[in-house]
Amino acid sequence: ETGVTQSPTHLIKTRGQQVTLRCSSQSGHNTVSWYQQALGQGPQFIFQYYREEENGRGNFPPRFSGLQFPNYSSELNVNALELDDSALYLCASSLGGTTYEQYFGPGTRLTVT
Amino acid sequence: QKEVEQNSGPLSVPEGAIASLNCTYSDRGSQSFFWYRQYSGKSPELIMSIYSNGDKEDGRFTAQLNKASQYVSLLIRDSQPSDSATYLCAGLNAGGTSYGKLTFGQGTILTVHP
Repeated sequence: ETGVTQSPTHLIKTRGQQVTLRCSSQSGHNTVSWYQQALGQGPQFIFQYYREEENGRGNFPPRFSGLQFPNYSSELNVNALELDDSALYLCASSLGGTTYEQYFGPGTRLTVT
Repeated sequence: QKEVEQNSGPLSVPEGAIASLNCTYSDRGSQSFFWYRQYSGKSPELIMSIYSNGDKEDGRFTAQLNKASQYVSLLIRDSQPSDSATYLCAGLNAGGTSYGKLTFGQGTILTVHP
């Protein structure tokens, strides 16, 4: 167990809807990264938050947005859902600074129909 | 060309054998490398990190890094059926900042048969 939690575990949404996924980072970690993992692929970086600010972003459209709160928990919001957004969404926490080891939560399986 | 490529699988080894997993990367700015194990239906679990050239051993696992050849490997000695999983190689180029984006390979499926 990494101490990183995510909710919900599974989610089914309809194309065009909006979704919010949540993550609580490991105690003492101030950096949260979000990844999308399609079936049979490696995770793809969406963005990272460090001390409540976006610290880097991957090749995802603006309809993917996020927040980090003062307690370092985080949200991933996806608007106007598309069928291709169906994937496992992973949150990873790390200490930040020059410590780069990232520890993943259990993930949220999103299905868009 | 993919930024991180892993040897095509699936890889099947008998119990007790050495499993060898390989990874190459194209970004010479990548400084740190990680191996994650992912069981079916679960999230990736960090099993090894390596930051400098050479070997790093942890129990039955040995990670090897050769920055000149842009090559990373993971050896699993005395393979057990419980090692059967997808192994993900990831590189990180922080560019001297705290921006820790991991770039993953597509994964190699390992099966250890009794």
